[in-house]
Amino acid sequence: GAGVSQSPSNKVTEKGKDVELRCDPISGHTALYWYRQSLGQGLEFLIYFQGNSAPDKSGLPSDRFSAERTGGSVSTLTIQRTQQEDSAVYLCASSLVGVANNQPQHFGDGTRLSIL
Amino acid sequence: GQQVMQIPQYQHVQEGEDFTTYCNSSTTLSNIQWYKQRPGGHPVFLIQLVKSGEVKKQKRLTFQFGEAKKNSSLHITATQTTDVGTYFCAGKGGSNYKLTFGKGTLLTVNP
Repeated sequence: GAGVSQSPSNKVTEKGKDVELRCDPISGHTALYWYRQSLGQGLEFLIYFQGNSAPDKSGLPSDRFSAERTGGSVSTLTIQRTQQEDSAVYLCASSLVGVANNQPQHFGDGTRLSIL
Repeated sequence: GQQVMQIPQYQHVQEGEDFTTYCNSSTTLSNIQWYKQRPGGHPVFLIQLVKSGEVKKQKRLTFQFGEAKKNSSLHITATQTTDVGTYFCAGKGGSNYKLTFGKGTLLTVNP
């Protein structure tokens, strides 16, 4: 079956523009996560969805970042008024059920975002 | 908040040598997961440990979870070039539904 799909794979944009990143989780996975990974760094947690609701938004770096999930499936991460420090790889992961149930997370290939 | 620290940050070995990465949490964990990320790739789930003192093996890889459930280790015996990548541990606190990742250990293997 298909894994987690993310688009675009690469995005280059000018500082100040808005960007939208998309994640299509594995079919049937109720939990969805967004992470940010800077070059050579670990995974920085951004937000977690259980179904369409986001019980934990604590990792969003600022109010320029927002995310939504519709139909318990596709999620979009939106960054408004991008800054150069937003440049990173944005990874999406999904799991069968939430973290509370100790399920492994399946990652997409990520979107490499570069802000000029 | 919960913190997960991993050491070393980098490790370079000759092919055939052993390798170990260590993971330490500031709080007791309910479980710990290990992931491997190949260069240019995405993290891939390796294994999960849940019980205190648990030891699991996958071929040349041995994973341990400490008795106090605050630390874990991954040991690779006789490394091969295919072992190259960054190994991450990720832990969940007892009442926390967030998985906190360590910064990872980058392993390079000289053939």
